[in-house]
Amino acid sequence: EVQLVQSGAEVKEPGESLKISCQASGYSFTNYWIGWVRQRPGKGLEWMGNIYPTDSDTKYSPSFQGQVTISVDKSTSTSYLQWSSLKASDTAIYYCARAPVMVTFGGVPGWFDPWGQGTLVTVSS
Amino acid sequence: EIVLTQSPGTLSLSPGERAALSCRASQSVRSSYLAWYQQNPGQPPRLLIYDASRRATGIPDRFSGSGSGTDFTLTINSLEPEDFAVYYCQQYGTSPRTFGQGTKVEIK
Repeated sequence: EVQLVQSGAEVKEPGESLKISCQASGYSFTNYWIGWVRQRPGKGLEWMGNIYPTDSDTKYSPSFQGQVTISVDKSTSTSYLQWSSLKASDTAIYYCARAPVMVTFGGVPGWFDPWGQGTLVTVSS
Repeated sequence: EIVLTQSPGTLSLSPGERAALSCRASQSVRSSYLAWYQQNPGQPPRLLIYDASRRATGIPDRFSGSGSGTDFTLTINSLEPEDFAVYYCQQYGTSPRTFGQGTKVEIK
């Protein structure tokens, strides 16, 4: 069974750093992209970026470029999302999801399936 | 950036009725690279449809997707109680990937 299991909820203060994780199992980790999506409380879905574990090729949304860092550890089939200095506006649920390689379209990532269970990040003083 | 506008914002229907959800793009979605997701409260989204009209594995055939270019539709025939949820469209043909703002299907 393909599964993405995310790390637990975090409560942080503004200015703190954070790294959350997404561990994949049940498939070949390097054959699919991993994407990250933000959902603020009561709001919709926002694409943050995708990473290809084979070579760590990373594509960021302009809205998140420079605000977060997406990385992978192939040895543990884990992707990470990290912040160097959190803001209250980063309070949200963060989802990781698997995306297929669209071989007929230059190898870019496709749709998201499946999704992790989400990690709630609360930033408050 | 492609802006996806979903309508209506909320759809009030009864079990057994048919739902038609619209997703309109600000520019043509390349190769109909559009997906639909369902999200229930407290749950992650679930893929329903990809490539505009292909059902994901395990999705009941009462869910169907159609459309191309800038106009796409998700149709749910004969709503079941578990179908009352929020639905999002997403395009993955152009970067940045974008989502619509969602349509809530609620029980009338």
